[in-house]
Amino acid sequence: AQRVTQPEKLLSVFKGAPVELKCNYSYSGSPELFWYVQYSRQRLQLLLRHISRESIKGFTADLNKGETSFHLKKPFAQEEDSAMYYCAPANNAGNMLTFGGGTRLMVKP
Amino acid sequence: EAQVTQNPRYLITVTGKKLTVTCSQNMNHEYMSWYRQDPGLGLRQIYYSMNVEVTDKGDVPEGYKVSRKEKRNFPLILESPSPNQTSLYFCASRRTQGGLVNTEAFFGQGTRLTVV
Repeated sequence: AQRVTQPEKLLSVFKGAPVELKCNYSYSGSPELFWYVQYSRQRLQLLLRHISRESIKGFTADLNKGETSFHLKKPFAQEEDSAMYYCAPANNAGNMLTFGGGTRLMVKP
Repeated sequence: EAQVTQNPRYLITVTGKKLTVTCSQNMNHEYMSWYRQDPGLGLRQIYYSMNVEVTDKGDVPEGYKVSRKEKRNFPLILESPSPNQTSLYFCASRRTQGGLVNTEAFFGQGTRLTVV
């Protein structure tokens, strides 16, 4: 069965500290991997996708196929990064987008 | 403005009373899907549709129905709601590229449903 795990429900850091939000997945084949973010009172929206190898708002995510992980990282957290973050692998056909339980990031001043 | 629109935003209903949550997108996306969000469980896919008249079950389809008669609309139907369907529901749409759906999902603003 397809499964994605975000082990931390809540991650609290101070402004300027590094951040790593963990994501481990169990998926057949080679899934496409996404991170979605939901800021307070806003819709869920795409943060970044693995295939683009991009850095968005200072965040990057590295795929480790051996560990089946796709952790999200930022070297210096900002207060405006406070939000819910969801790791989301999609199957090869792309018709199933599975979300993890989410991690709430709180960045304190 | 390109967006996914759900209605209603909030709904309180009684057990057994049929209801429909509407979802509409103006981006000409082929793919649409419904999720429910529950504390600690993240978002779980209920149903999805690859195109008009093509629907399929997600991970938690029991108790729900959908239809896709037009490309822009994908209503979620609860024929006989029960309290365990109290949840936050999200509709999403995606563009397809070469038949694959590895593109960004656009989400509606959510519908908070309470079944008493």
